[in-house]
Amino acid sequence: DTGVSQNPRHKITKRGQNVTFRCDPISEHNRLYWYRQTLGQGPEFLTYFQNEAQLEKSRLLSDRFSAERPKGSFSTLEIQRTEQGDSAMYLCASSPPVGTGGYEQYFGPGTRLTVT
Amino acid sequence: QKEVEQDPGPLSVPEGAIVSLNCTYSNSAFQYFMWYRQYSRKGPELLMYTYSSGNKEDGRFTAQVDKSSKYISLFIRDSQPSDSATYLCATSRSGGYQKVTFGTGTKLQVIP
Repeated sequence: DTGVSQNPRHKITKRGQNVTFRCDPISEHNRLYWYRQTLGQGPEFLTYFQNEAQLEKSRLLSDRFSAERPKGSFSTLEIQRTEQGDSAMYLCASSPPVGTGGYEQYFGPGTRLTVT
Repeated sequence: QKEVEQDPGPLSVPEGAIVSLNCTYSNSAFQYFMWYRQYSRKGPELLMYTYSSGNKEDGRFTAQVDKSSKYISLFIRDSQPSDSATYLCATSRSGGYQKVTFGTGTKLQVIP
């Protein structure tokens, strides 16, 4: 069973460095979501894609954050000039096309980012 | 004020107890209500899903939504140690097809 996969699972970086995370959704899912979860909090929505189009971005997604899904398959989330406040779990989820009977967002295991 | 408020707990109960988890929300536009379960170091997984007001039962789990009071509940009967996890209530305007807004999560421990 190939669920949502995320790489790397852990990333430690120094403040000011750039980092990039990758998400591979379930193969037939055309929607892909990024969330951020800090300790003791629920996931917070960052952005989502339908195929390669980025349809919504949260105000949480500052100019230092950029997400892409160039071919409508995997997605990358890049954080430039990382800050200690960026330390969090970055979760990716995917969902099947509207009208196929599925509505659930399936989450990956997350990438834990620590900025020192 | 957060759009979805949830008591973070932790909540500790003996095995076999009935567990009640609750959330409130503020946005009347929310139509879909969900409960996710998250084990330590894992991503959330959908447990229950309800559209609009009403009850939904699935095995030992019952979800209730009262849109008039903007109140969401999850009941777990005959709780088991394997139910120990963080339970996240969540809402959206359009099911799982767009942005989902989560509560902070309630950490539950079921003691054998």
